[in-house]
Amino acid sequence: EPEVTQTPSHQVTQMGQEVILRCVPISNHLYFYWYRQILGQKVEFLVSFYNNEISEKSEIFDDQFSVERPDGSNFTLKIRSTKLEDSAMYFCASRQQDRGKSLFGPGTRLTVT
Amino acid sequence: AQKVTQAQTEISVVEKEDVTLDCVYETRDTTYYLFWYKQPPSGELVFLIRRNSFDEQNEISGRYSWNFQKSTSSFNFTITASQVVDSAVYFCALSEALGETSGSRLTFGEGTQLTVNP
Repeated sequence: EPEVTQTPSHQVTQMGQEVILRCVPISNHLYFYWYRQILGQKVEFLVSFYNNEISEKSEIFDDQFSVERPDGSNFTLKIRSTKLEDSAMYFCASRQQDRGKSLFGPGTRLTVT
Repeated sequence: AQKVTQAQTEISVVEKEDVTLDCVYETRDTTYYLFWYKQPPSGELVFLIRRNSFDEQNEISGRYSWNFQKSTSSFNFTITASQVVDSAVYFCALSEALGETSGSRLTFGEGTQLTVNP
């Protein structure tokens, strides 16, 4: 079965640095998502992306965050100036159609020091 | 606004016991979707089931079964004859059907940590 992939699996960065988390969604999927999970907490929605634009974003997704689909395969999440509280597991997900199931990537663990 | 509540933070059982994980949801929509995901210690989120609000038929998949009751806004998950490999955090999630161009975000519950002891 096709899978969502994410790189890197673990990223360590210093506060104030920019990071880019990368995802390759499943090829025939149309909807793309980023979620995050602070250690020991629930999974929280960040942003959804459809038809090359953001379709919805949460209050967490402020001006420090941006997403991009630079080519037909990659979907990236950029954090411009990381803060300690950005430390979390970041999950990418994709969905084939609006009412289909969301399939998640393995996650990128971001550690901000 | 949508909300999912998993009141059980942690459950510990002995292998071969049956265990039920509770999920209660809130939504204003008449059309919505409910999900269960498993998060093993390795951290990934594994899709288990999706159920739409118009289908209240219970579902069974091997040792797993789901009980959807619209009257009580619950979507409970039962594991029969639990095994050590079932140890994981289980998340219930809700998605409202907002239309073709919207994202239909998933709202997750807090999760239930299930530990199955040998």
